[in-house]
Amino acid sequence: DAGVTQSPTHLIKTRGQHVTLRCSPISGHKSVSWYQQVLGQGPQFIFQYYEKEERGRGNFPDRFSARQFPNYSSELNVNALLLGDSALYLCASSSGGGGGGTQYFGPGTRLLVL
Amino acid sequence: GQQLNQSPQSMFIQEGEDVSMNCTSSSIFNTWLWYKQDPGEGPVLLIALYKAGELTSNGRLTAQFGITRKDSFLNISASIPSDVGIYFCAGQKNNAGNMLTFGGGTRLMVKP
Repeated sequence: DAGVTQSPTHLIKTRGQHVTLRCSPISGHKSVSWYQQVLGQGPQFIFQYYEKEERGRGNFPDRFSARQFPNYSSELNVNALLLGDSALYLCASSSGGGGGGTQYFGPGTRLLVL
Repeated sequence: GQQLNQSPQSMFIQEGEDVSMNCTSSSIFNTWLWYKQDPGEGPVLLIALYKAGELTSNGRLTAQFGITRKDSFLNISASIPSDVGIYFCAGQKNNAGNMLTFGGGTRLMVKP
């Protein structure tokens, strides 16, 4: 079975632009979470979606938004990009949405903002 | 954002040596997890701990969930070159959905 897939793998943008990152969860998984990993640090939670509804939001500005589609895939959108948004963006999927279930991470999208 | 306190930040050891790393928090977590991340990849789950005091092994890896629910440690016995990577602890709370709070990572380097 395919694991969590993310696209694109790498992306270069300039300040002020907008970016959309995509994630496809493991087949049968209904929950997707997004994390930001700045170089040299652990991942930071951004959003969780379960059954197409937002179930959790981390301490990120409103420039960050996400949604989940009927097939449980998800998009992360970031508007008005800043240099500090440069990071590895990770997507994790799990079968349940209430915690306790194993979360499987994708390989990430590496975003560079110039 | 909040992160767990993970130590040491890095370790450079000889192949065959045992390794120990730990993670502490000022708040209680209901689940502790240990992940390994290789360059260019996402974190891979190594061990999950669900109960205070629990000691769980996965091959040469052993992890424990602290009695206070505010800490956890990971031991790797008889290290080999493929153990190289960054190890992260993560905590999860029952009332926080799937949100994981991560430590800053321990970078392990193994000298053959």
